[in-house]
Amino acid sequence: GDSVTQMEGPVTLSEEAFLTINCTYTATGYPSLFWYVQYPGEGLQLLLKATKADDKGSNKGFEATYRKETTSFHLEKGSVQVSDSAVYFCALSELIKAAGNKLTFGGGTRVLVKP
Amino acid sequence: DADVTQTPRNRITKTGKRIMLECSQTKGHDRMYWYRQDPGLGLRLIYYSFDVKDINKGEISDGYSVSRQAQAKFSLSLESAIPNQTALYFCATRPGGGTSEQFFGPGTRLTVL
Repeated sequence: GDSVTQMEGPVTLSEEAFLTINCTYTATGYPSLFWYVQYPGEGLQLLLKATKADDKGSNKGFEATYRKETTSFHLEKGSVQVSDSAVYFCALSELIKAAGNKLTFGGGTRVLVKP
Repeated sequence: DADVTQTPRNRITKTGKRIMLECSQTKGHDRMYWYRQDPGLGLRLIYYSFDVKDINKGEISDGYSVSRQAQAKFSLSLESAIPNQTALYFCATRPGGGTSEQFFGPGTRLTVL
C-alpha cells in the first residue's frame, strides 16, 4: 500500500536558519503530494502541493519539488522565523474511487525555531 | 466563523462509555473524513463519506462507527471506549471534482481513562 516516510523530529533551529524536512513516498500510481502544517492547538492547514512530477509547490517562503525519480518531496525554507514553529506533515493522495481520494500521512516532524 | 467545526474540543471519558464526536461544515463539500492522530504516527483514516448514502471504512475503523446525518454533518461514535482510543481526532472535508485538498477542523482531544 501507499506510505509516506518523513524525518523524525524534533528539529530545533535558530531564527534565519535554513530548514529542510525530508519526505519520501511509496505509491502504486501517480499521486499528488502535499505538505500540511499544524500550529499548536490547531488543525492541519495545507501549506503547499504538487500534482505531477517536477512540479514545485511554494507558499510562505516554503518550497518542495515533486521528484518522481527519487520518490521524494522535501520541504525547504531559506530563512525560518519563530512563527514557523509547528508540526509539518508530508502526505500523498491517490484515487481510491472514480470520484474520490484519500490522504496518506507521514508521521509528522516537529520544528522549533528559537529566537 | 470556522468552516469546519468539531464538538466537543476536549473530552474525558471512562472505559466502556459510549461517546459521539460531531463535525459540521459550511463549505458545501460532499466528501467528509474522520482521522485520528497519534504521536509519531501522523493521521490515520477511520471512516470517510462521499455523500449521505456512501460511507466507507478507512484503515482503522474497528471500534468506531459513523453517521452522515446530512451533507453538512458527519458524526463519529465510539460504542464502548477503551484507553487506546485516547487520541486527537480530526474531521476533514473535500469538494468534489479534481481537487484533492482536504480542509481540517480544529480537532477533538479525547482521553479515555
